[in-house]
Amino acid sequence: DAKTTQPPSMDCAEGRAANLPCNHSTISGNEYVYWYRQIHSQGPQYIIHGLKNNETNEMASLIITEDRKSSTLILPHATLRDTAVYYCIVNQGGKLIFGQGTELSVKP
Amino acid sequence: GAVVSQHPSWVICKSGTSVKIECRSLDFQATTMFWYRQFPKQSLMLMATSNEGSKATYEQGVEKDKFLINHASLTLSTLTVTSAHPEDSSFYICSARDHRRLAAGELFFGEGSRLTVL
Repeated sequence: DAKTTQPPSMDCAEGRAANLPCNHSTISGNEYVYWYRQIHSQGPQYIIHGLKNNETNEMASLIITEDRKSSTLILPHATLRDTAVYYCIVNQGGKLIFGQGTELSVKP
Repeated sequence: GAVVSQHPSWVICKSGTSVKIECRSLDFQATTMFWYRQFPKQSLMLMATSNEGSKATYEQGVEKDKFLINHASLTLSTLTVTSAHPEDSSFYICSARDHRRLAAGELFFGEGSRLTVL
């Protein structure tokens, strides 16, 4: 079973920041948090991952709470092409077990 | 990022036939590849872990004799759906881990292969 919980859906206005929350309260000390997204009928796309520190790359920022029980993915300026299902995943023994994800709809 | 390619991207077959799907890592070597299945409006479900040169490890409830996995080289894993039936119709997705980046752990996914069994 997935070790993460996410809201099933969210809306965001185009050009605004999208903040996608994820709870992973049972995460272990050496388990990474990964974020992927899947656009309809395509394979998942890697976004970002982190362990303890906040991370930023050209796609997004990842904010991990100090107790590591939750994290937030931030898309700083959402575009219509960011509409997708976003998955927050905790590495379980080398495997990535997907939960249901958050369906993000970016609206004009 | 690293590139993983699947072939075919879609296939239609008759019930009772076998279908082979290939997964290739194009610019890196992958000692481990994973196969997922996704039904409409559902999340990805891990089917099996494919290790180069050894037998695949299947998740609970996945029939190893029906879904044959071969990982003969560091850049190729194949999934064969044997004696396919309409209920096997699904989106099959592979992923691979770059053996140089095992500590980082991220997986790179193929584009997926849509199987329709008539």
